[in-house]
Formats: sequence, structure tokens, C-alpha cells
Amino acid sequence: ELKVEQNPLFLSMQEGKNYTIYCNYSTTSDRLYWYRQDPGKSLESLFVLLSNGAVKQEGRLMASLDTKARLSTLHITAAVHDLSATYFCAVDSLLSSGSARQLTFGSGTQLTVLP
Amino acid sequence: GAGVSQSPSNKVTEKGKDVELRCDPISGHTALYWYRQRLGQGLEFLIYFQGNSAPDKSGLPSDRFSAERTGESVSTLTIQRTQQEDSAVYLCASRERLAWGKTTDTQYFGPGTRLTVL
Repeated sequence: ELKVEQNPLFLSMQEGKNYTIYCNYSTTSDRLYWYRQDPGKSLESLFVLLSNGAVKQEGRLMASLDTKARLSTLHITAAVHDLSATYFCAVDSLLSSGSARQLTFGSGTQLTVLP
Repeated sequence: GAGVSQSPSNKVTEKGKDVELRCDPISGHTALYWYRQRLGQGLEFLIYFQGNSAPDKSGLPSDRFSAERTGESVSTLTIQRTQQEDSAVYLCASRERLAWGKTTDTQYFGPGTRLTVL
């Protein structure tokens, strides 16, 4: 059974600081996703990482994937208050029927950026 | 509409009652997923539909849960004889399937239905 672990689960940081969220997963996969969720809202896709060594950046967020280590990171540079949200990583895996893929989610990292 | 829509947005019900949740996927998206998100947790996969193929029900937690989808349109998730542990946000997501049989890599999520079982 695929397990996806994120840490930290809660992160409080000051504006302007840098920090990294980690996502470890237990079985081989070459697709990993990062989503953002604001309170009471649905999930917004941030990044799709499709291969070992993939790195993607959007604004103050940068995501990377190391499939050999089964690790993805989401790095936050010079945080601003607008980045406060819950961030989920999700790993792509085959459904038991083999018919398609599903996402297995981590528990999420609740990020609070303090002014 | 431009995105995945779900209704109702909130549902409060009494233990033992049946509830039906609705999902309208993005037009043209043939793949549809239902997930459950308990408070403070990640998403749990429930069921997957792809076109007219038999759904993958491997994530359904019990036989009280069922879902239907007609073709590539609306889907309904039904929970019978609701229990308090069914309280959660139920999220629907759709994904495009390209003509040559490959899916794109992003699932687009609806706003969810928050179910509270008293």
C-alpha cells in the first residue's frame, strides 16, 4: 500500500523567510503533484512533477522531485502572507483494477505566514 | 461552467438517513473521481469513473456507499444509513482523457460538499 508522508504538518513562519516542506512516499512512482487548499475551498493544482530531477517554479514556490529517494520538496522563498494555506502532495499510482491512476495524498502542511 | 461543480455545498443530516451528493465535471472530461476528506486530513480515494467503463470502486469504505455516472456527465454519490463517521468533505475531481487514450496529468477539483451527520 502506498503511503505518503508530509512534514511538517504545521508550519508557522514570518514573512520574508525561507522554508521547505517535505513529501516522502513509500513505493515507486514517477508522478507527483502539489496542491494548495485555502480554508473552505477546494484544491488548486500548483505543480505536476513527471520525472526524476524535475524542478518547477512559480513565483515564490519551487517544487522538485527525486524519484530514487522517493522525495519531493516544496520550497518557499521570502514568504508572504498570501501563501498561507494548506499544501498537499499527492503521488500518482495505479488503481487496483489497473484501469487508471489515482492520487494518494499526504496529510497536508498547514502553512501560516505571519506579518 | 468553467470548472467542476458540486451540490449541495453543505448538507446536515441525521444519523441513519440517506444522502445524495452531486458532481458536474468539466465538459469533455471523461474521467471522474470521488474523494473524501476528513477534518485536518488528506484526501481518501473513493471511486473512479472512466467513460462507459465499469467504475473502480476499490476505495469505497462500505456497502453503504455507492455512486453512479451516466456516460461522461453528472455523477451522484449516495451514502445510505449515514453514520457520524461519514462526516467529511466529499470532493469530486475530473480529468481529461485525450483522444489517443492518455489522460492529462492534472485532476481538477470541485469545491466539495461538506457533510455533517448528527
